[in-house]
Amino acid sequence: DTAVSQTPKYLVTQMGNDKSIKCEQNLGHDTMYWYKQDSKKFLKIMFSYNNKELIINETVPNRFSPKSPDKAHLNLHINSLELGDSAVYFCASSQEVTGLRRGYTFGSGTRLTVV
Amino acid sequence: GEDVEQSLFLSVREGDSSVINCTYTDSSSTYLYWYKQEPGAGLQLLTYIFSNMDMKQDQRLTVLLNKKDKHLSLRIADTQTGDSAIYFCAEKGSNYQLIWGAGTKLIIKP
Repeated sequence: DTAVSQTPKYLVTQMGNDKSIKCEQNLGHDTMYWYKQDSKKFLKIMFSYNNKELIINETVPNRFSPKSPDKAHLNLHINSLELGDSAVYFCASSQEVTGLRRGYTFGSGTRLTVV
Repeated sequence: GEDVEQSLFLSVREGDSSVINCTYTDSSSTYLYWYKQEPGAGLQLLTYIFSNMDMKQDQRLTVLLNKKDKHLSLRIADTQTGDSAIYFCAEKGSNYQLIWGAGTKLIIKP
């Protein structure tokens, strides 16, 4: 009955590889997000989708590509992984796009380590 | 631009009150939030306050909002070891996103 679930929880991979992180929410929310949290715990938004449509696309390398097959899923594909991509990636969802009264619901994170 | 600032660390003794402070820049913010992140876990919404309120209380948590000074605080009464976490302040910014502070790590001393 997890609200926002992301897989895998841990991902260790070599430089240059391509990997995907999956996210699913069963809350019926309209908007989903990907955040990157660095080693200093700073949160940086990467992408946001509302009803499968991209609404936020912050300055991230184009090696990162989000895919939203339906409004309950937002996956993140990363090509040609680099050492600097090592971080914790959080998926989140929210009900209102403009109101955000209830804030975001976060997944438990995917810790990506590039070696 | 939009910015949220908070100190990085706070150390308190078990049983004392913790007060975590935050300043924000967008005076038109409608909602402000406090999130808690325990080690190895995602962020969990603790509480939020609407901009037309000065105070909100929920059990051991008290949120104070000073709109004039753009200052938000979270008070945790009778701090317990289970309150050890990073606490993030966030405001609703433009473009449908939340603007996040850097997080305050709350350290509990026995």
